[in-house]
Amino acid sequence: SQQGEEDPQALSIQEGENATMNCSYKTSINNLQWYRQNSGRGLVHLILIRSNEREKHSGRLRVTLDTSKKSSSLLITASRAADTASYFCATDKGAQGGSEKLVFGKGTKLTVNP
Amino acid sequence: ETGVTQTPRHLVMGMTNKKSLKCEQHLGHNAMYWYKQSAKKPLELMFVYNFKEQTENNSVPSRFSPECPNSSHLFLHLHTLQPEDSALYLCASSQTGVHGYTFGSGTRLTVV
Repeated sequence: SQQGEEDPQALSIQEGENATMNCSYKTSINNLQWYRQNSGRGLVHLILIRSNEREKHSGRLRVTLDTSKKSSSLLITASRAADTASYFCATDKGAQGGSEKLVFGKGTKLTVNP
Repeated sequence: ETGVTQTPRHLVMGMTNKKSLKCEQHLGHNAMYWYKQSAKKPLELMFVYNFKEQTENNSVPSRFSPECPNSSHLFLHLHTLQPEDSALYLCASSQTGVHGYTFGSGTRLTVV
């Protein structure tokens, strides 16, 4: 069953602006992860935030997690044209038998115009 | 290169054909996954293998048959597919205790 759901579905901004994408989920989680996908390619892991964390930074990325609202946001600051891609959140309920089982949302398609 | 290699990159097959997708990882990961990505739909988990044993089959039709001969290789055998099976098939791997998947670049499958 679908767990994460991103919004907006599509976002178009100018280079230098900040981009904020949101993710909502339905059940309790162990951690939440964000991935990026360039058109027609595989997904690339960006950042992970655990259920007991509220905020995490990595370079120009800032992720927040609100477990009471079952939501997360991904902020990309000072965006660049190269940030153009689709961004997905994925929720993990915890390793079962040694393997993860990530459930992905539909993604937000970000376009950064030069 | 991410360390997870998928071949072929593109595949066009008729509904009566039999073909196989291959995934190989050189990361020493113990778990491997097949996902299906169709337009405007979330990624769908198909199969999970951990230490080459299948631990998840997400109600996938039998025309998709996975094979995991060892922890580094994963195959998806295809036969008598339908046009709606056209999609990007993604392979991923992960290591227990180290969160996050490493994905391959995918195989773009078109069924005609």
